[in-house]
Amino acid sequence: EIVLTQSPDFQSVTPKEKVTITCRASQSIGNGLHWYQQKADQSPKLLIKYASQSFSGVPSRFSGSGSGTDFTLTINSLEAEDAATYYCHQSSSLPFTFGGGTKVEIK
Amino acid sequence: QVHLVESGGGVVQPGTSLRLSCGASGFTFSSYVMHWVRQAPGKRLEWVAVILYDGSNVDYIDSVRGRFSISRDNSKNTLFLQMNSLREDDTAVYYCARELGLIDYWGQGTPVTVSS
Repeated sequence: EIVLTQSPDFQSVTPKEKVTITCRASQSIGNGLHWYQQKADQSPKLLIKYASQSFSGVPSRFSGSGSGTDFTLTINSLEAEDAATYYCHQSSSLPFTFGGGTKVEIK
Repeated sequence: QVHLVESGGGVVQPGTSLRLSCGASGFTFSSYVMHWVRQAPGKRLEWVAVILYDGSNVDYIDSVRGRFSISRDNSKNTLFLQMNSLREDDTAVYYCARELGLIDYWGQGTPVTVSS
C-alpha cells in the first residue's frame, strides 16, 4: 500500500497570502497524484489532476507540481472561500490511498 | 452535469447488514469504473471498493473483504454496496465516486453508524 504523508496538518492564513501544502508518497507514483478540496459537510471536489493539470472550472490560483514521490499544492492569493481541508490522493495502484489532509483556516 | 446520489445509510447494530445505492446521471454510467470511498468522523478518506465497467472485476480494501460486496446495474445506472457483518469501525460517511484514470466526481455521501 502506498502511504501518502501530507504536511502541514493545519495552516492559519490571512487572505491574499500564499499557501503551500506538500504530499510525499512512500514510493514513486509518477504523476498519479491528485488534489481535492473538501469544505465542511461537503464531498471532496477535484482541483488538480495528474500532479499539475487544473481540473475544469478550478480558479487559476490553485496549482500543483511534482512527480515521483514529492508533490506540492499551491494556492496563490488565498481567498476566504478557500477555507477547507485539502487532500492528496494517488491512483497509481490499488488500494487507492489518500493523505491525512491539511486544514486551511482563514485568519 | 454529473450527478451521483447515494442512499441507504442509517443507524444499525454491530453484526447486521445494510445495502447502499448510488444513482448516477449526466454521464454514460457503463463507461466508468466506479468506487466506494468512506470517511470516518474526523478521519482521512479511505478507499473501500472498486468495480469495473461491466462488473467483471472487483476489489476491496482488506478490512472489508469478505464482508462487503460491490455491484452495479448498468441498465439502471446504479451502483451498490452490500455491507454484511458490520462493525463499529465501519461507521463513516460513504461516498460513491466515478473514475476515468482518476476519481473526478463524488456523490454527497450517505452516513452509516454502527453502534450498539
